[in-house]
Amino acid sequence: QKEVEQNSGPLSVPEGAIASLNCTYSDRGSQSFFWYRQYSGKSPELIMFIYSNGDKEDGRFTAQLNKASQYVSLLIRDSQPSDSATYLCAVTTGGYQKVTFGTGTKLQVIP
Amino acid sequence: SQTIHQWPATLVQPVGSPLSLECTVEGTSNPNLYWYRQAAGRGLQLLFYSVGIGQISSEVPQNLSASRPQDRQFILSSKKLLLSDSGFYLCAWSAIKDEQYFGPGTRLTVT
Repeated sequence: QKEVEQNSGPLSVPEGAIASLNCTYSDRGSQSFFWYRQYSGKSPELIMFIYSNGDKEDGRFTAQLNKASQYVSLLIRDSQPSDSATYLCAVTTGGYQKVTFGTGTKLQVIP
Repeated sequence: SQTIHQWPATLVQPVGSPLSLECTVEGTSNPNLYWYRQAAGRGLQLLFYSVGIGQISSEVPQNLSASRPQDRQFILSSKKLLLSDSGFYLCAWSAIKDEQYFGPGTRLTVT
């Protein structure tokens, strides 16, 4: 079982819709959870982090964490073509400050 | 604010040649530093991380090595490159918490 699993996509949504990206993880001891956005040919950019169960909102982005289900998600409201990118889920595993990344979900926002 | 630099941006090297990639961080002291590799269409693989000068932990046995000669400088090296070393090399830093911030990356092609 992979430590961090994401559907590779592509996930296609129309402009203005809500994009929902999901991630599951295997280490019940994980404490920190991150979402990165990576445009083609560029380095990953941290867009959200969450440490506690529940929702965390920042602008059009909402991160949701459910530790009991070992599930973290990212919602993007009012999706824009500029949101088209690969979204990487990352989770601390195996101890403090060691972060494991999923392989990413490719999001396509259709104008 | 903090800034992370990597160079060179792109590199084409023949098999068997040496490698030296450099990463520097500005605007912070005693950061944790990381080297990742991202092969085409694949996830991020942690190669090395460092919590201080001269302190290097290796995650994957291979022909690469890392050094941290100064607090905010991290170097990735190889004595002899293999074809399988091709990829996108990313340096990242973090402070007390786990949030990692990536540099612009070096795209290495071994021919």
